[in-house]
Amino acid sequence: QQPVQSPQAVILREGEDAVINCSSSKALYSVHWYRQKHGEAPVFLMILLKGGEQKGHEKISASFNEKKQQSSLYLTASQLSYSGTYFCGTANAGGTSYGKLTFGQGTILTVHP
Amino acid sequence: GAVVSQHPSRVICKSGTSVKIECRSLDFQATTMFWYRQFPKKSLMLMATSNEGSKATYEQGVEKDKFLINHASLTLSTLTVTSAHPEDSSFYICSALPTGRNSPLHFGNGTRLTVT
Repeated sequence: QQPVQSPQAVILREGEDAVINCSSSKALYSVHWYRQKHGEAPVFLMILLKGGEQKGHEKISASFNEKKQQSSLYLTASQLSYSGTYFCGTANAGGTSYGKLTFGQGTILTVHP
Repeated sequence: GAVVSQHPSRVICKSGTSVKIECRSLDFQATTMFWYRQFPKKSLMLMATSNEGSKATYEQGVEKDKFLINHASLTLSTLTVTSAHPEDSSFYICSALPTGRNSPLHFGNGTRLTVT
């Protein structure tokens, strides 16, 4: 089942912060975050693993609450380059294929000057 | 960093013809690759898991005879859309999983297929 992302869209001015949430109805092994710009490939941001957290970038961090089966992506001091659609991809606990992710519907982030 | 090359980036074909899309991992080996379909402003929908040297595993609702997947080597997987119809028009993306636990997926740049 597809994880649910919120909000669906967010508009920011440069320098503002944003939080994107990802919720699953199933127990999770890992949560992956990607950013996709129009017509391009999704770009890896970070992976959060059961029992741990991994930060991928200086101003972009994330948390993973295993009990609540949720993850949140935090973007601080946003830059114009942050604009794009953010997807979370989840791998279920007990799954047989690590990379087999189910992606959320995406959150469209727009940063204005 | 890990690079995945997907070719072609755009293709237009006529109804009834077949189209082959290639996905190559350029600087790493990938025993597993994934194929997705993405509609405008929508999420990535997993179509199938491609395993080197074995048959692909298709997701529910995906016709395996229509979307043929071959993973002949550790760096190449192909998706062939057979007897294409206008409703097959979409953005197709592949991803490759490097060996090593907890490696991230690396995506190709996608193929825009238009069937006329």
